[in-house]
Amino acid sequence: DGGITQSPKYLFRKEGQNVTLSCEQNLNHDAMYWYRQDPGQGLRLIYYSQIVNDFQKGDIAEGYSVSREKKESFPLTVTSAQKNPTAFYLCATESGTGAYSNQPQHFGDGTRLSIL
Amino acid sequence: SQQGEEDPQALSIQEGENATMNCSYKTSINNLQWYRQNSGRGLVHLILIRSNEREKHSGRLRVTLDTSKKSSSLLITASRAADTASYFCASQLSGSARQLTFGSGTQLTVLP
Repeated sequence: DGGITQSPKYLFRKEGQNVTLSCEQNLNHDAMYWYRQDPGQGLRLIYYSQIVNDFQKGDIAEGYSVSREKKESFPLTVTSAQKNPTAFYLCATESGTGAYSNQPQHFGDGTRLSIL
Repeated sequence: SQQGEEDPQALSIQEGENATMNCSYKTSINNLQWYRQNSGRGLVHLILIRSNEREKHSGRLRVTLDTSKKSSSLLITASRAADTASYFCASQLSGSARQLTFGSGTQLTVLP
């Protein structure tokens, strides 16, 4: 999706190291999401943010942290507390507002994280 | 845990044939969405169907929703080799504050 840029495309983490995955969007969407995808599996929600300076834990938040200081940016940090970080990480945005939305999510092209 | 279960896990067909994928979910939903993922790429949205809708079309795609059975199906007609991808259903649960819960996907292979 041209409006969402994830970087880097590939990332390697050493033992005990924190790494940060970048997600930038120019779609002017309020909501942003981070998902983890393991091989042959669906997506699991890590964190999401519906507005600047606010974010909520998803189903698998342990070992991860996020910030939302700007509307355009929602970086994800994989901390050393995440013991099995090898996965494909996807960032998404959504344009809806309010408690419920009937808008689709738009995805970046992902970052593949591996352990060295 | 994943709310959606998809069936089949893998499907292989010849070009020109139709492909049907099914998705089941467990609790009430606000809407159900279908996405496509090419290998190593992000997901692309295909169709969103609201809980009060029963059928939706988009080009060669047809989606049905049966809320009494908590199930949905995606039909791709006259398939092409370029349709080869993984297809995921995602349900937005009622009261879930716009979160999506994804199924484990169907890997579709269309043979030329």
